[in-house]
Amino acid sequence: EVQLVESGGGLVQPGRSLRLSCVASGFRFDDYSMHWVRQAPGKGLEWVSGISWNSGSIDYADSVRGRFTISRDNAKNSLYLQMNSLRADDTALYYCVKEVLLWFGELLPRGFDYWGQGTLVTVSS
Amino acid sequence: QSALTQPASVSGSPGQSITVSCTGTSSDVGGYNYVSWYQQHPGKAPRLIIYEVTNRPSGVSTRFSGSKSGNTASLTISGLQAEDEADYYCSSYRSNSPYVFGTGTKVTVL
Repeated sequence: EVQLVESGGGLVQPGRSLRLSCVASGFRFDDYSMHWVRQAPGKGLEWVSGISWNSGSIDYADSVRGRFTISRDNAKNSLYLQMNSLRADDTALYYCVKEVLLWFGELLPRGFDYWGQGTLVTVSS
Repeated sequence: QSALTQPASVSGSPGQSITVSCTGTSSDVGGYNYVSWYQQHPGKAPRLIIYEVTNRPSGVSTRFSGSKSGNTASLTISGLQAEDEADYYCSSYRSNSPYVFGTGTKVTVL
């Protein structure tokens, strides 16, 4: 059974940092690109960042570029999101998600078939 | 990075068919066959129901089908059931930013 378990969320002041983690199980983690997707309270979905199977291809939404850093450790079946200079509009439930298809090229997301339960990040003074 | 455009709400009676549209541009929906659809019930994580325009993941009901014409993709739910009441989001690969979601559509079963 595929499982994605996020952790690291919490209440943080504006300008501070937070690191999210996601531990994956039930599939060959190093065969798939992985992503972070967020959802602000009562709002829609927003893609945040993605990383290819070997970390060779990485990209970010404009809203977080330069502030967030995605990484992965295939030996630990883990995905991370380092979030710096946090702002109030970063407040959201952050989901770790797996791509639906095997792909060993550049980042080319075609759908996300497994989602974690999400970890809530609240940025407020 | 603007979102894909979806109607805010669509409704139908049990047993009917409804269609949810998703409008983008030639840089996303119209340019690639990488449109996906997600169903989200309140308080739950989204669930993938269509990928690559028409493909259904294992376990997804055949009542859900996808299509695309030009810059607009569509999700059709046939034989509408009470359990289909949820929010639906389209998404697409986009050439200058790998992934974009739609604005979301609330489907109501009357």
